[in-house]
Amino acid sequence: LAKTTQPVSMDSYEGQEVNITCSHNNIATNDYITWYQQFPSQGPRFIIQGYKTKVTNEVASLFIPADRKSSTLSLPRVSLSDTAVYYCLVGGPPGYSSASKIIFGSGTRLSIRP
Amino acid sequence: DTAVSQTPKYLVTQMGNDKSIKCEQNLGHDTMYWYKQDSKKFLKIMFSYNNKELIINETVPNRFSPKSPDKAHLNLHINSLELGDSAVYFCASSQGGSGGPYFGPGTRLTVT
Repeated sequence: LAKTTQPVSMDSYEGQEVNITCSHNNIATNDYITWYQQFPSQGPRFIIQGYKTKVTNEVASLFIPADRKSSTLSLPRVSLSDTAVYYCLVGGPPGYSSASKIIFGSGTRLSIRP
Repeated sequence: DTAVSQTPKYLVTQMGNDKSIKCEQNLGHDTMYWYKQDSKKFLKIMFSYNNKELIINETVPNRFSPKSPDKAHLNLHINSLELGDSAVYFCASSQGGSGGPYFGPGTRLTVT
């Protein structure tokens, strides 16, 4: 099972771009990279998922280098409401059997200041 | 429109009791899950359930049993509750190729 390493915490200011990098040196060939956001007393919220290169949606961008041993979640122009814990996960292709292989780490606690 | 919903949101009970947590998803997903988040905030998968096939995490005690009356529901029954069962339990669902799993709001279980 691929283990992930990400910063314990990060601070930034409103309006800034925030990049959170995750290391996953032993990612398997068929593993996908997924990022979640979690607010206190709420369930994790799916943000973005990718396999290689770059993925962008209305919330964030995910950059994955060619060796796939790391990934970077990019949040453009953050606001106070982006203060949360962000989890990087690697696991099998989207599908029920692979979910059992997805392990949540301790996440990155992002704090946004005015 | 809540995609994945759970009831109750809070559950306080005594050791030895049997309790259930209900989960419903209106996303049309074919797979549902139960996760447990402990006091250290680590999220661990307990079960995944697809088309009547159950995948069990071997670390989950057999006091925990998921039951799925239909594709949109996956309930969690817990027998003989123990203090260590206190945690937040999250239901989730996914559909192959659609990202996720997508999580519900959680049920905070406190065993006294």
